Amino acid sequence: DQQVKQNSPSLSVQEGRISILNCDYTNSMFDYFLWYKKYPAEGPTFLISISSIKDKNEDGRFTVFLNKSAKHLSLHIVPSQPGDSAVYFCAGFISNFGNEKLTFGTGTRLTIIP
Amino acid sequence: DAGITQSPRHKVTETGTPVTLRCHQTENHRYMYWYRQDPGHGLRLIHYSYGVKDTDKGEVSDGYSVSRSKTEDFLLTLESATSSQTSVYFCAISESASGRNEQYFGPGTRLTVT
Repeated sequence: DQQVKQNSPSLSVQEGRISILNCDYTNSMFDYFLWYKKYPAEGPTFLISISSIKDKNEDGRFTVFLNKSAKHLSLHIVPSQPGDSAVYFCAGFISNFGNEKLTFGTGTRLTIIP
Repeated sequence: DAGITQSPRHKVTETGTPVTLRCHQTENHRYMYWYRQDPGHGLRLIHYSYGVKDTDKGEVSDGYSVSRSKTEDFLLTLESATSSQTSVYFCAISESASGRNEQYFGPGTRLTVT
């Protein structure tokens, strides 16, 4: 049962344009969502998060939108830069005692075309 | 960067041999996790620890065991390695499982079972 789904395995975007990465989830108990970025031969690094009580969180070029009714979140990168080329994972988390686990999606490989 | 190291970084082993991977942290974080990353599956949790000698299973724990005798070290053991355990293994740490449970990842260990 894939509770967090990233249906696009890859995405190519022109440098300077907007990149939109999508993530769907099935578990309505998630109360936090996180995005991680991963370069080849490195571990994932935390990028941005959003609480389920919010619908938007912004950090510089990165904005995450959450649509709880659709169980859908998206990460917007504006403007896209060559250094943004990486694999992006979304993850859901239920913040109650005894359930200290993140559930990750399968990832989307973003390629920024110069 | 969070102080997380993994050893070895690369290992080739034969089917049926035992293998131990080590994760070492200098952050004194309570929670430690072992994940494996495989194409089409994203990051899947193997085992995690919520304190010294306190561990629990993740979604893909069969064939793996863990131990945590000190706060800073979390060991992952493949009792009898199989080809299906060829993967990239990541250790992660987090200070608290409340809030968003932001996890910091190590650089990974690439394991090949021949």
